[in-house]
Amino acid sequence: SQQGEEDPQALSIQEGENATMNCSYKTSINNLQWYRQNSGRGLVHLILIRSNEREKHSGRLRVTLDTSKKSSSLLITASRAADTASYFCATASRRAAGNKLTFGGGTRVLVKP
Amino acid sequence: SQTIHQWPATLVQPVGSPLSLECTVEGTSNPNLYWYRQAAGRGLQLLFYSVGIGQISSEVPQNLSASRPQDRQFILSSKKLLLSDSGFYLCAWSGNGGTGELFFGEGSRLTVL
Repeated sequence: SQQGEEDPQALSIQEGENATMNCSYKTSINNLQWYRQNSGRGLVHLILIRSNEREKHSGRLRVTLDTSKKSSSLLITASRAADTASYFCATASRRAAGNKLTFGGGTRVLVKP
Repeated sequence: SQTIHQWPATLVQPVGSPLSLECTVEGTSNPNLYWYRQAAGRGLQLLFYSVGIGQISSEVPQNLSASRPQDRQFILSSKKLLLSDSGFYLCAWSGNGGTGELFFGEGSRLTVL
């Protein structure tokens, strides 16, 4: 079963707007990560937030983590057409061996020029 | 720098035929290695992971097997493919003892007819 579930499943915005997507998970985690996948390609790591962190920034990306609600959000500011992709959250469970990550179903983002 | 190679990129196979997908990592030693499968428009399902040569953990019962004959080589196999084995297969590696960030290959798209 999926540990993380993203919301919304799909998002369509105009270039320049912000895109926000959310992720909920079920068990205690060591960290939560966000990945990006262009159509038909492998996933690329975007950002990692540890369980003792609440917010993290990387360029136009802002990630928040609320461990009491078991949820995270990814904000992409000033979106560009090149941001069109699927975005996945992934959790590293405290109880999982081997650095295993459990991925959610992803949010498909379309940025219209 | 580290690189990951996965091949073949595309494969069309008849039901009942064998399968071999290969993945190699360069520029690192003793990585954790993973095989994920992604159904169309869905998230990733962890199939196998390995923390060392000859050490394979299976996450879900299935028609597939994995082997790690060398430190940086990970192979996904099947003796007889089923229609349900169709999908996008992704190999990934992470540093042993790292934070768990995964580095993905470009994927292998398998169609079983």
